[in-house]
Amino acid sequence: GAVVSQHPSRVICKSGTSVKIECRSLDFQATTMFWYRQFPKQSLMLMATSNEGSKATYEQGVEKDKFLINHASLTLSTLTVTSAHPEDSSFYICSARFGGTGELFFGEGSRLTVL
Amino acid sequence: AQSVTQLDSQVPVFEEAPVELRCNYSSSVSVYLFWYVQYPNQGLQLLLKYLSGSTLVESINGFEAEFNKSQTSFHLRKPSVHISDTAEYFCAVTQNTGGFKTIFGAGTRLFVKA
Repeated sequence: GAVVSQHPSRVICKSGTSVKIECRSLDFQATTMFWYRQFPKQSLMLMATSNEGSKATYEQGVEKDKFLINHASLTLSTLTVTSAHPEDSSFYICSARFGGTGELFFGEGSRLTVL
Repeated sequence: AQSVTQLDSQVPVFEEAPVELRCNYSSSVSVYLFWYVQYPNQGLQLLLKYLSGSTLVESINGFEAEFNKSQTSFHLRKPSVHISDTAEYFCAVTQNTGGFKTIFGAGTRLFVKA
């Protein structure tokens, strides 16, 4: 199947700093990628839809100035958590849509811990 | 709008016993249905999918799910579970139009005991 790689898998940062998470589709071109956030023992919450070459579409309640998404190429989308605070600590997962079926392939996830 | 309901948050079961994880959905448009599995501290992996055609779909590791349109359900079953099946299972619904937005259920933790 299609491969999506996410980096870093774990990151610890100080409060007030910014953190960038990368999501790459390794063997296919992804015009659309999705970013999810997952709290412990909870489901995935869709944060935003990232479209190559255009602005991301954010879900209601997600701060676009806090969570900057860039989809500069067909194989790379980045999520930057700006001025991170402890409440931003979470597991962030990206996915890419493959083909015309809506099937998603997921990255390994990135666990962010803000001290 | 669409929604997904996984009725059981946790399902403990003994090894080699059968299991069913329930999923119901609602949607105003046609959808694709998926089951994903998540192991601790990992991303999600596709387990199986229903796009069209036969309503019974199977995975390579013994799981199966049946799409029931009248009951708007897509329950996941396995006749005999293994310890290695212990994981979180998510049912997901994707709109068959537009941006293919995917909504996930709350997840069911399957815990297989020896």
